[in-house]
Amino acid sequence: EAQVTQNPRYLITVTGKKLTVTCSQNMNHEYMSWYRQDPGLGLRQIYYSMNVEVTDKGDVPEGYKVSRKEKRNFPLILESPSPNQTSLYFCASGMGGTETQYFGPGTRLLVL
Amino acid sequence: RKEVEQDPGPFNVPEGATVAFNCTYSNSASQSFFWYRQDCRKEPKLLMSVYSSGNEDGRFTAQLNRASQYISLLIRDSKLSDSATYLCVVTPRRALTFGSGTRLQVQP
Repeated sequence: EAQVTQNPRYLITVTGKKLTVTCSQNMNHEYMSWYRQDPGLGLRQIYYSMNVEVTDKGDVPEGYKVSRKEKRNFPLILESPSPNQTSLYFCASGMGGTETQYFGPGTRLLVL
Repeated sequence: RKEVEQDPGPFNVPEGATVAFNCTYSNSASQSFFWYRQDCRKEPKLLMSVYSSGNEDGRFTAQLNRASQYISLLIRDSKLSDSATYLCVVTPRRALTFGSGTRLQVQP
């Protein structure tokens, strides 16, 4: 089954404790992206990757890191989470940045 | 001004009604346009792409007006299962830019 998976689905953590949210896709897509969704603000892009070892900032990259060492994986790293990073996070993949994207199920993060 | 603007709703309509949503975008360089559907904080899913000539998929019709920079979605014969948030998506850069969504509630 073609899909994008994310883990964990739910996470409660404390300020400053490093965390990683994993994302994996099995569709051989070159393009992968991370978004956060907040009430009233819609989906905003954090980082994206056009291909292996190629990553770039989206609209709200501050406080986040990513890496793309393999085509299928695109983890999101919060080195020192803060409460303003409490949000719903989605990973997505597609053939290109302006093409249809397929989303993972989302990760709900609460930073205390 | 937001790059993509949508009326947040909610639109409350009875089953069987026809409902239309509009979305305006600010960047005339946008080339690709989509409508996504999102159920109650689940992942967005592609509903349909929007083509310049307009396109239809069953009960759903999408239109693009480049001159006025808006796209529309028409839903005919609304079903209870159409209740969701509809996200307008454009591509002003090499990435999708999402509107905040319009919430539709179809009532029995």
